[in-house]
Amino acid sequence: SQTIHQWPATLVQPVGSPLSLECTVEGTSNPNLYWYRQAAGRGLQLLFYSVGIGQISSEVPQNLSASRPQDRQFILSSKKLLLSDSGFYLCAWSSGTEASPLHFGNGTRLTVT
Amino acid sequence: GQQLNQSPQSMFIQEGEDVSMNCTSSSIFNTWLWYKQDPGEGPVLLIALYKAGELTSNGRLTAQFGITRKDSFLNISASIPSDVGIYFCAGLPLSTSGTYKYIFGTGTRLKVLA
Repeated sequence: SQTIHQWPATLVQPVGSPLSLECTVEGTSNPNLYWYRQAAGRGLQLLFYSVGIGQISSEVPQNLSASRPQDRQFILSSKKLLLSDSGFYLCAWSSGTEASPLHFGNGTRLTVT
Repeated sequence: GQQLNQSPQSMFIQEGEDVSMNCTSSSIFNTWLWYKQDPGEGPVLLIALYKAGELTSNGRLTAQFGITRKDSFLNISASIPSDVGIYFCAGLPLSTSGTYKYIFGTGTRLKVLA
């Protein structure tokens, strides 16, 4: 069966520091991969998605970036964090067929101080 | 951009009662998904709908893909305390076909009173 791992679970970082969140998927090949952000009490905002290695689509212009160095690895990065980057970050995967449902990791709670 | 209107925003119900919530859009959707999120965790898929008019059940949960393809409904029968959480709808608009860009509703926060 497929599993998705996301780490770290929680992170407290000062303003201006770099960020690296990692997500890996097991049990499937060539998944679509996604990064979402969830503000407190709010819905999910799509940040990036990827349909293959090195292929990244950005949905929201900001100081975050994403990379997919391997088929089942998705990384969310920032060179300098802003206070507004605080939130709950969720990685998700879906199979390559269109309209296949998203399956989420357990998220990373990021607090920028 | 595209938005999903999900209602109600929150609801308090007594254990044993039935629950109904819905999502509506001004656009036509290809797919509707319903998720439940517990505090501090990622959303978990409950039901996926792919055809207009489709009615699908998962235990005490039943969801329907609206005939107009612009709405979806989730019902929970005989609620129990562990039903507490936030329920999200998500949809794949026809207009973004091929892009895999799911749109999420703002969630319905459910609290069950024992």
